[in-house]
Amino acid sequence: QKEVEQNSGPLSVPEGAIASLNCTYSDRGSQSFFWYRQYSGKSPELIMSIYSNGDKEDGRFTAQLNKASQYVSLLIRDSQPSDSATYLCAEGDSNYQLIWGAGTKLIIKP
Amino acid sequence: KAGVTQTPRYLIKTRGQQVTLSCSPISGHRSVSWYQQTPGQGLQFLFEYFSETQRNKGNFPGRFSGRQFSNSRSEMNVSTLELGDSALYLCASSPRPWLAAYNEQFFGPGTRLTVL
Repeated sequence: QKEVEQNSGPLSVPEGAIASLNCTYSDRGSQSFFWYRQYSGKSPELIMSIYSNGDKEDGRFTAQLNKASQYVSLLIRDSQPSDSATYLCAEGDSNYQLIWGAGTKLIIKP
Repeated sequence: KAGVTQTPRYLIKTRGQQVTLSCSPISGHRSVSWYQQTPGQGLQFLFEYFSETQRNKGNFPGRFSGRQFSNSRSEMNVSTLELGDSALYLCASSPRPWLAAYNEQFFGPGTRLTVL
């Protein structure tokens, strides 16, 4: 059973600090990884996608992929209260299906 | 470019009834996926359509079905509704037709279904 695991949280981070969200996956053949943000009562919105080992930066967001250790992480710098949401990790597995994690609830405290 | 649209946004049905939900993907997107989201289960994949063909299917009973039309619009149908079918149903469209592993999915606002 292919799985994507995330700590459900809540993860509480002070405003202005770095929030670090982690995700591990079981399928070594996975080729693509995605981070989505979902505000309460809203649909998920894509933040970042990453396909290669290493870091990918987009504004205050950095995605990190380590295929050897089978984890992907999302760093949010200078966290703002508006970043408070549930963050979903998804992987495109070797059968071209998206496997979703259950999400981590992030709370940014002013 | 207009985003993914879903209709209706809210729906209340009673047990035993059936329901049809509609999704219009982003213009030019030909792949449409459907998900069920509940507080306890997270995002659960229902099925994916491309070019009017179901390409992938999740682990849901046969009461859940779908189809895609030639203009890429998609519908999903749930027959003989059960209380446990109460959920947010999300539709997502993708720009790349076949290589789902590299597809970025864009979600619609969802249809919130309540079964009484």
